[in-house]
Amino acid sequence: QKEVEQDPGPLSVPEGAIVSLNCTYSNSAFQYFMWYRQYSRKGPELLMYTYSSGNKEDGRFTAQVDKSSKYISLFIRDSQPSDSATYLCAMSAGSGNTPLVFGKGTRLSVIA
Amino acid sequence: GAVVSQHPSRVICKSGTSVKIECRSLDFQATTMFWYRQFPKKSLMLMATSNEGSKATYEQGVEKDKFLINHASLTLSTLTVTSAHPEDSSFYICSARDTGYNSPLHFGNGTRLTVT
Repeated sequence: QKEVEQDPGPLSVPEGAIVSLNCTYSNSAFQYFMWYRQYSRKGPELLMYTYSSGNKEDGRFTAQVDKSSKYISLFIRDSQPSDSATYLCAMSAGSGNTPLVFGKGTRLSVIA
Repeated sequence: GAVVSQHPSRVICKSGTSVKIECRSLDFQATTMFWYRQFPKKSLMLMATSNEGSKATYEQGVEKDKFLINHASLTLSTLTVTSAHPEDSSFYICSARDTGYNSPLHFGNGTRLTVT
């Protein structure tokens, strides 16, 4: 079993839809959880950063972490064509020089 | 927010030559920077962890003599691809984390290397 599992998609939704992106993980030591958005031929851009369990909301984006189920989610409300990108979940057991473990990324297309 | 600048964004070089990629943290200090490689439609693969003032830590399977990393200051790390071959063609991305506690990782915009 891989440390982080993420459905690569592709996921195609109509404009205005609510998008749900998910990752599962196996390492119970993970406590820092991130979602990155990556446009083609660009570096990943940090969207959400969560420590431990709980929810975090920022504009149209909501991140949820359920450590008991080892499951994290990113919700995008009122999706826009500009949200079309690859979304990567990432997590780590510590900060500092602890590297991140990434999911494979989910390719999202929002159709106008 | 924290900004990581990577240069160049794209480089084409001939087989056998060396290429240097720079990664700078613009508004924060980073004792640690990470170098990733990404193949088309694949996730990021960690190559090495760059530590300011000390040797880099390479992941298993990454040739440290081919991918030379230097982290000379708290705001600059460089990756040099030595004696490049076509199979080194890839998208290289650096990242850095602010020295503040619990800080997230920020990425540069990547360098697309093509070796002909």
